[in-house]
Amino acid sequence: EAQVTQNPRYLITVTGKKLTVTCSQNMNHEYMSWYRQDPGLGLRQIYYSMNVEVTDKGDVPEGYKVSRKEKRNFPLILESPSPNQTSLYFCATRQGQGNQPQHFGDGTRLSIL
Amino acid sequence: AQSVTQLDSQVPVFEEAPVELRCNYSSSVSVYLFWYVQYPNQGLQLLLKYLSGSTLVKGINGFEAEFNKSQTSFHLRKPSVHISDTAEYFCAVSELTGGGNKLTFGTGTQLKVEL
Repeated sequence: EAQVTQNPRYLITVTGKKLTVTCSQNMNHEYMSWYRQDPGLGLRQIYYSMNVEVTDKGDVPEGYKVSRKEKRNFPLILESPSPNQTSLYFCATRQGQGNQPQHFGDGTRLSIL
Repeated sequence: AQSVTQLDSQVPVFEEAPVELRCNYSSSVSVYLFWYVQYPNQGLQLLLKYLSGSTLVKGINGFEAEFNKSQTSFHLRKPSVHISDTAEYFCAVSELTGGGNKLTFGTGTQLKVEL
């Protein structure tokens, strides 16, 4: 079964404590992306990756890092989380170019106190 | 730069009534258009997409959308809704340019189907 798996699904943590949200896919897709979803703002892209070792900023990259050392994984790293990063985060993958749909994970709800 | 406007943040409707969720986009180049649905505590799922050709696109669960280039719109419709259609719906646009063919989302429309 085609899957995009995010972990953890829920996390409550404190300001400044480094955290990593993992994303793994089993579809061999080259393109992967991270979004954050906030009420009234829809989904906004944080970072994306076109392939292994190829990453680029999206619309709201400040305070986040990513890496793409292997095709199936695309972790999102918050080195020093702050309360304004409290949000619902989604990882998505895509096969090919922009005419193909994206496949989304079930989301990770982060609360930064 | 591309942008997407979903004017209605919430749409209440009675079961078996028709519904239209509005979406307008702005872009200086050709685009691909998508509608996604998000059920509570889940990720987004593709409802339908417009790439080219016929302007009326049919998707899953009885939904359809019509691409109108002159009005830069891509409204989503269903002739008779069911309680299970209660969800948030996102319109999205992808430009045919570089930068990874970024997908830009609207702010979403919460569809609430009532008995």
